[in-house]
Amino acid sequence: EAAVTQSPRSKVAVTGGKVTLSCHQTNNHDYMYWYRQDTGHGLRLIHYSYVADSTEKGDIPDGYKASRPSQENFSLILELASLSQTAVYFCASRTGEGVTLYFGAGTRLSVL
Amino acid sequence: GDQVEQSPSALSLHEGTGSALRCNFTTTMRAVQWFQQNSRGSLINLFYLASGTKENGRLKSTFNSKESYSTLHIRDAQLEDSGTYFCAADFGGSNYKLTFGKGTLLTVTP
Repeated sequence: EAAVTQSPRSKVAVTGGKVTLSCHQTNNHDYMYWYRQDTGHGLRLIHYSYVADSTEKGDIPDGYKASRPSQENFSLILELASLSQTAVYFCASRTGEGVTLYFGAGTRLSVL
Repeated sequence: GDQVEQSPSALSLHEGTGSALRCNFTTTMRAVQWFQQNSRGSLINLFYLASGTKENGRLKSTFNSKESYSTLHIRDAQLEDSGTYFCAADFGGSNYKLTFGKGTLLTVTP
């Protein structure tokens, strides 16, 4: 089973503060994703990356930045955290098209 | 509108019984993936299907690409099957993302 590790597992942040969520995969996968889960919305794509040093916007990118410094690592950055960004964040990876997507355990973020 | 519609939104089963969950898609797609989100919040891979049927233990999934729907059948439900089940559509394209439905909350009772 592919391994995707997220850190931290939970975090409390203050409004206006900076938050960085980290994701590490040891699967040698090219594609990495950040999804957000809110009650009643399923999972929605924030940013993704298909190669190191490059990131792309997903469906709900506003208020988020992403960084892919290496194939293994993909970070999600909230420069100015807001109450509306309270959610559970999932990182995922896969080789490319037509194959299984593997998720990390998630990070529960509370912005107060 | 939503590209992935799951039904029912909630389902209650007694242990030992079974049912089917369904996902309808509003456009043609390459494949579907099914997940279970357990009580700890983890997303567990169940199936990835580009066509046809796959079976694993008490679970079976089918994907009809022509009619744009997929089903997940659960038989002999157990308490540990409780959780939220998500289908996700692989529409293909350059970003290789999956688009998720809103999930079916399954509760299995003794």
